Amino acid sequence: DSGVTQTPKHLITATGQRVTLRCSPRSGDLSVYWYQQSLDQGLQFLIHYYNGEERAKGNILERFSAQQFPDLHSELNLSSLELGDSALYFCASSARTSGGPSTDTQYFGPGTRLTVL
Amino acid sequence: AQSVTQLGSHVSVSEGALVLLRCNYSSSVPPYLFWYVQYPNQGLQLLLKYTSAATLVKGINGFEAEFKKSETSFHLTKPSAHMSDAAEYFCAVSAGYEGSQGNLIFGKGTKLSVKP
Repeated sequence: DSGVTQTPKHLITATGQRVTLRCSPRSGDLSVYWYQQSLDQGLQFLIHYYNGEERAKGNILERFSAQQFPDLHSELNLSSLELGDSALYFCASSARTSGGPSTDTQYFGPGTRLTVL
Repeated sequence: AQSVTQLGSHVSVSEGALVLLRCNYSSSVPPYLFWYVQYPNQGLQLLLKYTSAATLVKGINGFEAEFKKSETSFHLTKPSAHMSDAAEYFCAVSAGYEGSQGNLIFGKGTKLSVKP
């Protein structure tokens, strides 16, 4: 158990819909990263929040957004869903405090499997 | 730009045999490198990481990796495979481009099968 929790575990929805994925980081971790894992793209970084502020964006679509709340949990919002958005979405947390490359371990949650029909 | 290449999307070994999973990196800054393991229907778990303190890094479950700058490699090895090692393994580098915050850049992964 990494200490990172994600809900829901599975989500099945239809094209055009909007969903929210939730992540609670490990106790004391201020950084939350979101990653998408798909068969064709592999593991891709989406977005990073640190202590409530957005710090970096990766390959995140404009239809996707995220936020981190004062209690440090984070939500990833996916809207106007398409078939190609079906994937496993992971969040990871770390104690990360500054920019640039890091030796901090990122602890991954169990993921949310999104299926868009 | 930084990248990680894992040679071999599938590797199959016999139980008790040597495990060798290959990872090569490309980085314009000194890299921090990681190996993660993913068991079916689970999240990623850190096996080991290179932080520049030592080139030979020992991790959990008997795995180790050696950082070779001249070869830009960070291959993962285990002397004797167990059935429980069957999983997917990912090599990653911590992003060092401007504006990054240490997000991980992953290779495509190598699925390890262990035959009895």
